[in-house]
Amino acid sequence: QKEVEQNSGPLSVPEGAIASLNCTYSDRGSQSFFWYRQYSGKSPELIMFIYSNGDKEDGRFTAQLNKASQYVSLLIRDSQPSDSATYLCAVLLPGNQFYFGTGTSLTVIP
Amino acid sequence: GAVVSQHPSWVICKSGTSVKIECRSLDFQATTMFWYRQFPKQSLMLMATSNEGSKATYEQGVEKDKFLINHASLTLSTLTVTSAHPEDSSFYICSGRSEGPDTQYFGPGTRLTVL
Repeated sequence: QKEVEQNSGPLSVPEGAIASLNCTYSDRGSQSFFWYRQYSGKSPELIMFIYSNGDKEDGRFTAQLNKASQYVSLLIRDSQPSDSATYLCAVLLPGNQFYFGTGTSLTVIP
Repeated sequence: GAVVSQHPSWVICKSGTSVKIECRSLDFQATTMFWYRQFPKQSLMLMATSNEGSKATYEQGVEKDKFLINHASLTLSTLTVTSAHPEDSSFYICSGRSEGPDTQYFGPGTRLTVL
C-alpha cells in the first residue's frame, strides 16, 4: 500500500465550477499535509498546508482534513483555466519523511 | 513562501561528461535538501536526501557514485551527474526543507539533455 494515494485523473471541470481533489494516506501518525501545484514543465509550488482536522481556506482554495478517515482534499472554487495543472498531495510522517502522491491532473475548460 | 534557486536551468552536454547542478535556499536555512528527478508525464521520483555536513541518503536504485551530492552549507547543495548518458536526460528538481512551516520548497528545476 502506498503511503499517499491520489486519483491520477484527468479531472475536467468547466470554468467557474468547484474542482475537488482528493488524497488518502496510510499512516495514522501523519502530522502535516500539503498541496502543491505543478504546471507542465515546471517544478511544484506550495499552495496550502494543513495540520488540524477541519477546513482551512485561502482565497479560492480550501483544504479539508479528516484524520479519522485519513483523507485530505483540496477544493478550488470558481475554477479558472489557469488552474489547469497537476496537483500533488504530500504528507509528513512521524519519522520526518515526506511522501508525495503521484498527482491529479486537472483541466479547467473555458 | 521561501525561495529556492537552481542553476543552471537548462543544460545540454555530450555523453560521458559530468554536469553539476547547484541548489540554493535564498531566504532560509535548509538543514535538509532533497533531489528529485522527473521524466516527462511521470511523477516526482526522490533520488536522495542530503543533510548539511553529512553524507546523502540515496533511494533504492539510485547510484551514489553516479549522482554525487554535496551539502556543504545550510544554503547550498550540489548534484553532480558523472559520466552522463542519454538515459540521464531528465528534469532535476531540488527542494529545501524549511522549519516554519515544516515543509519543502522547490527550486525551479534543471532540464538536462545528454546527447
